[in-house]
Amino acid sequence: KQEVTQIPAALSVPEGENLVLNCSFTDSAIYNLQWFRQDPGKGLTSLLLIQSSQREQTSGRLNASLDKSSGRSTLYIAASQPGDSATYLCAVRQAGTALIFGKGTTLSVSS
Amino acid sequence: NAGVMQNPRHLVRRRGQEARLRCSPMKGHSHVYWYRQLPEEGLKFMVYLQKENIIDESGMPKERFSAEFPKEGPSILRIQQVVRGDSAAYFCASSPLAGTGGDQPQHFGDGTRLSIL
Repeated sequence: KQEVTQIPAALSVPEGENLVLNCSFTDSAIYNLQWFRQDPGKGLTSLLLIQSSQREQTSGRLNASLDKSSGRSTLYIAASQPGDSATYLCAVRQAGTALIFGKGTTLSVSS
Repeated sequence: NAGVMQNPRHLVRRRGQEARLRCSPMKGHSHVYWYRQLPEEGLKFMVYLQKENIIDESGMPKERFSAEFPKEGPSILRIQQVVRGDSAAYFCASSPLAGTGGDQPQHFGDGTRLSIL
């Protein structure tokens, strides 16, 4: 049974720092991995989608990597800003189409 | 281009009542997924539907919960005889054709926060 774990559960950093969020999964047979952002009381915003054949994806200050064989993904945020404060969720898709989510990392960036 | 629309945003019910949650997928999307987010828990898959068909309901509780996606109108998640443990945020996502590789991203609505008194 696939399990997705995100470490740390919470992270506080000062503005301007570069930071890394970690996601691990137990079954490497995935189709893709997706990183989402969730603001309090809101839905999920898709940040990056990495196909199983890809190693990384970049969007602006965000870079996500995928190492399928070791069951790991990282989300790198460069030059963090207070507006980046949110909960970041990692999810994998396997056979079928349901996403399996981690519990998220809650990020707080102070000005 | 409107995103995934869920209503109501907040719903309060007393124990034993019925709750109906609605989801209109993005234009052009024919696949709908429902997820539940319990307090302090991650999002858990409940059910996957296409028009007039339930494709995968492996995450649905066996009793009191049902879902539909009719030919016309929104998808409905229905919870009968609600209990306090049903209090959660319920999210709907939609996607276009799933594809053999499952490589179409799911787009999420803002959710319905269900509170049971």
